[in-house]
Amino acid sequence: DIVMTQTPLSLSVTPGQPASISCKSGQSLLHSDGKTYLYWYLQKPGQPPQLLIYEVSNRFSGVPDRFSGSGSGTDFTLKISRVEAEDVGVYYCMHSIELPRTFGQGTKVEIK
Amino acid sequence: QVQLVESGGGLVKPGGSLRLSCAASGFTFSDYYMSWIRQAPGKGLEWVSYISGSGTTIYYADSVKGRFTISRDNAKNSLYLQVNSLRAEDTAVYFCARNAITDLDYWGQGTLVTVSS
Repeated sequence: DIVMTQTPLSLSVTPGQPASISCKSGQSLLHSDGKTYLYWYLQKPGQPPQLLIYEVSNRFSGVPDRFSGSGSGTDFTLKISRVEAEDVGVYYCMHSIELPRTFGQGTKVEIK
Repeated sequence: QVQLVESGGGLVKPGGSLRLSCAASGFTFSDYYMSWIRQAPGKGLEWVSYISGSGTTIYYADSVKGRFTISRDNAKNSLYLQVNSLRAEDTAVYFCARNAITDLDYWGQGTLVTVSS
């Protein structure tokens, strides 16, 4: 199984300031079809996960443009340009290049 | 809009069984793979199983293989997970999710399974 490692595991951010979360995979997520299968989810308190970013850098429908994803191969980053109060929760990266899908441990983001 | 509603969770003794259901609406159910993902209390996410739109392709996580069975009824727009031989470590919220080109794009609210004597 592919191990997904996130850092940091927790983050306290002042509203309006940027935030960044790293995700490293145990093997390359670049598929032979040319796509890289790395996803980012946000699980707000008491809610199911919601898709933010698919295939490294594509924002899902309705996701604000303050969220952006980047990276390649095995190293990926989720950035929030200006954190808002509604961004609190746990962020997970996930790969979908093979089965089983595996998730990072999660990064808990709170507001200072 | 896409809606997924799970049901069927509850308290069950070790070794017991449950059948979890996921009712789908707002999209052509038979066109999509569907997945089950679980989350133990206070823990992270664990992918459990998925099934193709026709039901002919199925995969399981090693942790549940031989004990859990995924199925679907496209006429009823419903996904199921039969969970047998339950263990304490199966205690979790079980989410169903739609697999699209963007993989797990919509998730239900989840149903809690508690395994305890």
